Amino acid sequence: DAGVTQSPTHLIKTRGQQVTLRCSPKSGHDTVSWYQQALGQGPQFIFQYYEEEERQRGNFPDRFSGHQFPNYSSELNVNALLLGDSALYLCASSLREFFGGRNTEAFFGQGTRLTVV
Amino acid sequence: AQSVTQPDIHITVSEGASLELRCNYSYGATPYLFWYVQSPGQGLQLLLKYFSGDTLVQGIKGFEAEFKRSQSSFNLRKPSVHWSDAAEYFCAVGGFNDYKLSFGAGTTVTVRA
Repeated sequence: DAGVTQSPTHLIKTRGQQVTLRCSPKSGHDTVSWYQQALGQGPQFIFQYYEEEERQRGNFPDRFSGHQFPNYSSELNVNALLLGDSALYLCASSLREFFGGRNTEAFFGQGTRLTVV
Repeated sequence: AQSVTQPDIHITVSEGASLELRCNYSYGATPYLFWYVQSPGQGLQLLLKYFSGDTLVQGIKGFEAEFKRSQSSFNLRKPSVHWSDAAEYFCAVGGFNDYKLSFGAGTTVTVRA
C-alpha cells in the first residue's frame, strides 16, 4: 500500500503565477483534505473533497480551488501566487465516515513544498 | 470557534527521561482529539486519538495521552524518550460532522544524549 502520495515534492514559482498540486489518496479512501503549513506553524485546513464536490472550506480566498476526480485523486490549484503562499501543502485522505466512524483516521502525505519568489 | 494551544514551543529532554507535551483546546461540542508527529521533511503521522470512553489512551511508539474535560486538556506523555522521538508534535481537535482538523502551532522536541 503506497499510502497518500503527493506530487511534486518541491516547486518554485514566481509571484502571479498559477500552480497545481496533486494528491493520490490511500487505497480504499474516498475523501481528500488539503492543508497549508507555513514555516513554524501548524497545518491550516483549506478544504475537503468528497464525491467530487467541496464539502467544507476553511478561511482561504477563492484563489485556492480544488478538484476531485472519479478515482478519488485530487488537485489543489492556487492562482495569482503571493509570497505568503510559500508553505508545505499537505494532503490527507480518509474514509467518508472519518469522524462518525471512529475507527478510521486521516492519513497524510509527505507534502509539496511550494516556494514563491 | 475551535482552537488548540500548545504552550511549549520547544522542549529539550535527555534520552531516557520522561516527556510531557501540553495541549489545551477550545471546542463548542464534544471534541475529538488527536496527536500527530512530524519528522523533518515528512508528513504527519498519527500517534493516538480520543473519541470517547476511557480518558487515558494509548498510542504508537509508547506514547499515551489523557483527556481532561474539566481542564480542556489533552496532554501527551512518554515515560522514556529515545533519540528517534526528536520531532515536531501537533495536537489537533475535530468533531462529529466537522470535517476539518484544527491544529496547534506545534512543539519541537529535542533529545540530548
